[in-house]
Amino acid sequence: QKEVEQDPGPLSVPEGAIVSLNCTYSNSAFQYFMWYRQYSRKGPELLMYTYSSGNKEDGRFTAQVDKSSKYISLFIRDSQPSDSATYLCAMSVQGSSNTGKLIFGQGTTLQVKP
Amino acid sequence: DAMVIQNPRYQVTQFGKPVTLSCSQTLNHNVMYWYQQKSSQAPKLLFHYYDKDFNNEADTPDNFQSRRPNTSFCFLDIRSPGLGDAAMYLCATSKDGQGIYEQYFGPGTRLTVT
Repeated sequence: QKEVEQDPGPLSVPEGAIVSLNCTYSNSAFQYFMWYRQYSRKGPELLMYTYSSGNKEDGRFTAQVDKSSKYISLFIRDSQPSDSATYLCAMSVQGSSNTGKLIFGQGTTLQVKP
Repeated sequence: DAMVIQNPRYQVTQFGKPVTLSCSQTLNHNVMYWYQQKSSQAPKLLFHYYDKDFNNEADTPDNFQSRRPNTSFCFLDIRSPGLGDAAMYLCATSKDGQGIYEQYFGPGTRLTVT
């Protein structure tokens, strides 16, 4: 079993739709939860991060963490064609230094159609 | 703009012929990472440098080596590339104190092995 599972999609939605992206994980020691966005032929860029459980909102994006269910979500409201990309969840256990290891999901490819 | 630069963007090498990929950064970050990302898969950490200290992942093959001659530059050497080493190689940086979640990625080098 992989430490982090993410449905690869692809996910295709019309412009303006609400998008829900999800990951499940098995390691209960994970404390940091991140969402990275990766456009075609580009490196991933950090979109949002959450420490422990709860919600975090940034504009049209909301990240949720449910540690009891080992489940994290990213919601995109009013989706735009420019949101078309691969979304990678990533998680980490905070170690004794700040260079802990990120464990990535395989990414969900999202296409927002005009 | 401060950034992470990877050269070349595309590299073709022959089976067994050594190849070197380079990464440079203008962010003055003290931590540098190398990831391998195969098609539709999660990025997989190969190793990272914390300043000059090299940290190898346990499952990184000996075929992969790295050098960091100074803060700004880091190299990935593949001593004898096999067909299974064809992938996107991503360099990332982070700054101690900002947490491991805030990694800045370069655009990647796509390696083809013929």
